[in-house]
Amino acid sequence: ETGVTQSPTHLIKTRGQQVTLRCSSQSGHNTVSWYQQALGQGPQFIFQYYREEENGRGNFPPRFSGLQFPNYSSELNVNALELDDSALYLCASSRGGDTQYFGPGTRLTVL
Amino acid sequence: EDQVTQSPEALRLQEGESSSLNCSYTVSGLRGLFWYRQDPGKGPEFLFTLYSAGEEKEKERLKATLTKKESFLHITAPKPEDSATYLCAVAPSSGYNKLIFGAGTRLAVHP
Repeated sequence: ETGVTQSPTHLIKTRGQQVTLRCSSQSGHNTVSWYQQALGQGPQFIFQYYREEENGRGNFPPRFSGLQFPNYSSELNVNALELDDSALYLCASSRGGDTQYFGPGTRLTVL
Repeated sequence: EDQVTQSPEALRLQEGESSSLNCSYTVSGLRGLFWYRQDPGKGPEFLFTLYSAGEEKEKERLKATLTKKESFLHITAPKPEDSATYLCAVAPSSGYNKLIFGAGTRLAVHP
């Protein structure tokens, strides 16, 4: 059984640019959630996708957006990058409301 | 407001010295409480899910317990490979399946 995968592993961008992060969910999982983890802190919920629709959102501005595809993979897009967006971005997949399993993360650095 | 607080922030143990990590939570209704282990720069690794007060789960040297206000992660006779950050998260019972994380406890086990 393949676990959650994310790409790329690392990314460096400059302020004002746009970035797209990708996530493939674990086999059999239909729900994908995205989290942002700043250094030394716990992950913060960004949003969740179920059946290609956003069904929940945390306290993040609209420049954070996402997609879920028919195969349950997902993208996180961030526009107009700010220095504070530098963080580890985590994707987690689950079977509905069951336990969430996390991918290895994408380390984003904004200069 | 739903909230998770973990203590201590950091813990240093000698190999074989047992201890406990604390997770206090405030949530309107609890769908589940989760423990994850996170190594530096990597995604959280699932350890346990607890659903109701009085429940206990064990895995190797780890044992998780749950009351109505807090959870404990007991580490018995730890080894250096148990060194990691341990994250506690709650899933509120209302709405979608988002996780609210604490800041984690950084555990260092020395030989």
